[in-house]
Amino acid sequence: GNSVTQMEGPVTLSEEAFLTINCTYTATGYPSLFWYVQYPGEGLQLLLKATKADDKGSNKGFEATYRKETTSFHLEKGSVQVSDSAVYFCALDTLGDYKLSFGAGTTVTVRA
Amino acid sequence: GAGVSQSPSNKVTEKGKDVELRCDPISGHTALYWYRQSLGQGLEFLIYFQGNSAPDKSGLPSDRFSAERTGGSVSTLTIQRTQQEDSAVYLCASSSAGGGHEKLFFGSGTQLSVL
Repeated sequence: GNSVTQMEGPVTLSEEAFLTINCTYTATGYPSLFWYVQYPGEGLQLLLKATKADDKGSNKGFEATYRKETTSFHLEKGSVQVSDSAVYFCALDTLGDYKLSFGAGTTVTVRA
Repeated sequence: GAGVSQSPSNKVTEKGKDVELRCDPISGHTALYWYRQSLGQGLEFLIYFQGNSAPDKSGLPSDRFSAERTGGSVSTLTIQRTQQEDSAVYLCASSSAGGGHEKLFFGSGTQLSVL
């Protein structure tokens, strides 16, 4: 079956620090990979995605590269801001599967 | 409204009581999901509705859980005889037909606390 293992939090950083959140997966078939973000008081929203090996998803200064050889999709941002404080979820789906498999979420707090 | 609306945003109930959670999807979205987020765990799939097709209930954890979707729009998730382990955030999401997960919109969730 499909599963996602995500770096445990919480993570606390200072503004302009480098952020990495590790995500690895197991999947039957060939998955698409996603990062979702949940800002305080809001619903989850898609941050970025990648659909095939070596694809790089990017949005809002965040990047993640689909690494088939290491079954990973780590999220990175070079210089975080206070507004990046949120919970981040790694997720995957496989072709024909309408269900998303999520990681446990990582809470990130950025201090001014 | 423009987004997925869930109500109530918070619900505190006593063990053994029944609760109903409501989801108003985005107008025109044919696909509707319920997920559950327990403390320290990932989102757990509960149920999926797509148009007039029979729902996929494979994620419902017990027969105390049920859900319906009336008129292809509003959905209600009902939990009977609530237990403390039912405490979680219940999330609803919707998408248009063929929209895929990149077109999935989530509500803000209902925080359920069973005392």
